[in-house]
Amino acid sequence: GEDVEQSLFLSVREGDSSVINCTYTDSSSTYLYWYKQEPGAGLQLLTYIFSNMDMKQDQRLTVLLNKKDKHLSLRIADTQTGDSAIYFCAESITGNAGKSTFGDGTTLTVKP
Amino acid sequence: KAGVTQTPRYLIKTRGQQVTLSCSPISGHRSVSWYQQTPGQGLQFLFEYFSETQRNKGNFPGRFSGRQFSNSRSEMNVSTLELGDSALYLCASSLVGVEQYFGPGTRLTVT
Repeated sequence: GEDVEQSLFLSVREGDSSVINCTYTDSSSTYLYWYKQEPGAGLQLLTYIFSNMDMKQDQRLTVLLNKKDKHLSLRIADTQTGDSAIYFCAESITGNAGKSTFGDGTTLTVKP
Repeated sequence: KAGVTQTPRYLIKTRGQQVTLSCSPISGHRSVSWYQQTPGQGLQFLFEYFSETQRNKGNFPGRFSGRQFSNSRSEMNVSTLELGDSALYLCASSLVGVEQYFGPGTRLTVT
């Protein structure tokens, strides 16, 4: 079945780069997503990558996909204290985001 | 454009009662999905509706049900509430099935 795994915690210094990693099991995943959740809020879609791509860059965010190893990463350049949040990796098997499988989330703490 | 809205934002119910949560999607979005978020189980998919039809369903007991109206607004209902149903219930809407946008959630506490 589908399973998505992430490390639970990451701590970085302000100004450094953050790299959040994710592994997934289902090779038929068509889209892979990164979401951000701040305390008391819903999930904010940050970016996504189609499974036939290796990399996607969007301003400070870079997504890398290694389809052979089923590994996805999110790099945040010049991390700021406002980036402190929980980051979720998710996969969509059917190409329909409406039924996504989520990881448990990585809590990113940015220290000044 | 207004985002996804969910009502109520907070709810306290007693075991055995039932509850109805509401979700209004982004204008023009026809797909609405529901997720349950708990510290122990994380984010779990409940069901998805598209054009008033349930298109996908997660692994939840029959006490959890939902529906979608012709204006795409959706409701989910939980009957015979249990303590374990305490969670943040998130609704998300989608236009073309690639990007999904979440509401702020309804925090349900069962006592």
